[in-house]
Amino acid sequence: EAGVAQSPRYKIIEKRQSVAFWCNPISGHATLYWYQQILGQGPKLLIQFQNNGVVDDSQLPKDRFSAERLKGVDSTLKIQPAKLEDSAVYLCASSPGTGGFNTEAFFGQGTRLTVV
Amino acid sequence: DQQVKQNSPSLSVQEGRISILNCDYTNSMFDYFLWYKKYPAEGPTFLISISSIKDKNEDGRFTVFLNKSAKHLSLHIVPSQPGDSAVYFCAASDRGGGSNYKLTFGKGTLLTVNP
Repeated sequence: EAGVAQSPRYKIIEKRQSVAFWCNPISGHATLYWYQQILGQGPKLLIQFQNNGVVDDSQLPKDRFSAERLKGVDSTLKIQPAKLEDSAVYLCASSPGTGGFNTEAFFGQGTRLTVV
Repeated sequence: DQQVKQNSPSLSVQEGRISILNCDYTNSMFDYFLWYKKYPAEGPTFLISISSIKDKNEDGRFTVFLNKSAKHLSLHIVPSQPGDSAVYFCAASDRGGGSNYKLTFGKGTLLTVNP
């Protein structure tokens, strides 16, 4: 079974520029998450989709971050304009999400963003 | 307000000995707990979980203990192996609320197993 795919692996941009990350979840997984992991911290949820609807975006800085999940499959996360404090690893995860109780999230390798 | 706390940033143990990683939480609504392991330049990988209706779950060398009254859980690795060296994240979820499987993570503990 293929895992969660993310691209690019690394990205360096200047502050005030725009950047986009892409995620392809595990086939059939209804729930998709974007997490931000700043160095030395645990992952922090930015946004959670159930199919193509947003379940939780309470910690997404909506003035500069946006995300969409087309047709309930792939997702993109965009930052515009980027700030220095956005430097982090952006992790995408997916889970079966509907029904069942013991459904853990499966993570991709992440995109390391450096804003200079 | 950090709802999941891992107070030890690092832990070093000898190969063959027991590793004990600790985690505390403050949200009494959490009812499902997970441990993830993370190697450098990789995403976290699921290791083991426990629901709040249990106090112990074991999988091979890994055992998770949950003390709900103390809002504390721990991960035991016996025997520890050098390949276990990684960052371990404790995570928790409130699944009683329906389809929202949001995970709240601690800051992680770096485990180093010395040969």
